[in-house]
Amino acid sequence: DQQVKQNSPSLSVQEGRISILNCDYTNSMFDYFLWYKKYPAEGPTFLISISSIKDKNEDGRFTVFLNKSAKHLSLHIVPSQPGDSAVYFCAAYTGTASKLTFGTGTRLQVTL
Amino acid sequence: GAVVSQHPSRVICKSGTSVKIECRSLDFQATTMFWYRQFPKKSLMLMATSNEGSKATYEQGVEKDKFLINHASLTLSTLTVTSAHPEDSSFYICSALARTSGRRNEQFFGPGTRLTVL
Repeated sequence: DQQVKQNSPSLSVQEGRISILNCDYTNSMFDYFLWYKKYPAEGPTFLISISSIKDKNEDGRFTVFLNKSAKHLSLHIVPSQPGDSAVYFCAAYTGTASKLTFGTGTRLQVTL
Repeated sequence: GAVVSQHPSRVICKSGTSVKIECRSLDFQATTMFWYRQFPKKSLMLMATSNEGSKATYEQGVEKDKFLINHASLTLSTLTVTSAHPEDSSFYICSALARTSGRRNEQFFGPGTRLTVL
């Protein structure tokens, strides 16, 4: 039962353009969402997060949007850079629980 | 950010042997650590929650007798894969929970351990 889904396994974007990574969830109890970046054979590194009481959070080139009614969030990276090439996971927390539920990941390739 | 290390980073073992993986929080104390497993091109699957000084809580479908977890101190948790088989080959990642100012507890991830069972 995959409660957090990333329906695009891969995405290719040209350098300088916007990358949009999408994530859908089914559990309405999720109230805090995070995006992680992961390189092969490394652990995930935290990128940006958003609380369910907000609909947008911005940090430099990274912006996360949350649409609670649609149970959908997205990560925008602009401008995209070759160093952004990695696998991106969205993840979600439930209430006070510290357990993270991860999505299936999207491999982003930023081309020159 | 906080640093979490894992050792070893890569291990190859024969079928039937046991392998121990260490997870350490280097600059903070972690009362809770998590162990994940990642299959190729798949999501990270939570295996168990490790609490210092108490028994680990395993997720459904994870054999606790096969994946032994010990959290003996506030900076160290170990995962022992007992009687390893080729199907146990995977990428194992730990994370440690730290309280960050102004936000809920945040998980910091280790670099992972690649286990290959021949």
